[in-house]
Amino acid sequence: DAMVIQNPRYQVTQFGKPVTLSCSQTLNHNVMYWYQQKSSQAPKLLFHYYDKDFNNEADTPDNFQSRRPNTSFCFLDIRSPGLGDAAMYLCATSRLPLNEQFFGPGTRLTVL
Amino acid sequence: ILNVEQSPQSLHVQEGDSTNFTCSFPSSNFYALHWYRWETAKSPEALFVMTLNGDEKKKGRISATLNTKEGYSYLYIKGSQPEDSATYLCASYSGGYQKVTFGIGTKLQVIP
Repeated sequence: DAMVIQNPRYQVTQFGKPVTLSCSQTLNHNVMYWYQQKSSQAPKLLFHYYDKDFNNEADTPDNFQSRRPNTSFCFLDIRSPGLGDAAMYLCATSRLPLNEQFFGPGTRLTVL
Repeated sequence: ILNVEQSPQSLHVQEGDSTNFTCSFPSSNFYALHWYRWETAKSPEALFVMTLNGDEKKKGRISATLNTKEGYSYLYIKGSQPEDSATYLCASYSGGYQKVTFGIGTKLQVIP
């Protein structure tokens, strides 16, 4: 089945230790999104790729970077995680902007 | 309205009851409104993609309406069943076709 896969499902890192979250898709969609969801809050868009074009939200901290080496994969790098970065990170894809999004299961990040 | 607001934030209904909840979004520069259902331990799944003022969409017992002039959408569930228990998220594309903002969601629990 075509799907969106996120690895790992649970990630524990130490304060200040770089961490990378990965997302892959078999849908061949053009757009890939990264969201951060903290407890009892709305999912917040961090950035997205439309093909190779990177679109960063204005309020996304510089600590967060992303790479999309090809259509299928997208990575979220957190260069120096702080305690406030503990959250659920959701990856989603859509064929085009405005189309319905297909979500992965999320990665729950814990920062110690 | 500057942000996407959903109400109520949580709701308990008896099996068989009909229910509805609201999503309010910025009406200026509107492109689309999505509804997603997010069951516990699963990924969010799209219910509806709505773009035109007056749109009405239906999927089984669930339907949605859209008013883009005043910036709100209603989601209706007829004859709620325990399997309808989930968080219902709306996402607004306002201010740019690539700018998506999610609401905090309405958590519905259907009591057998």
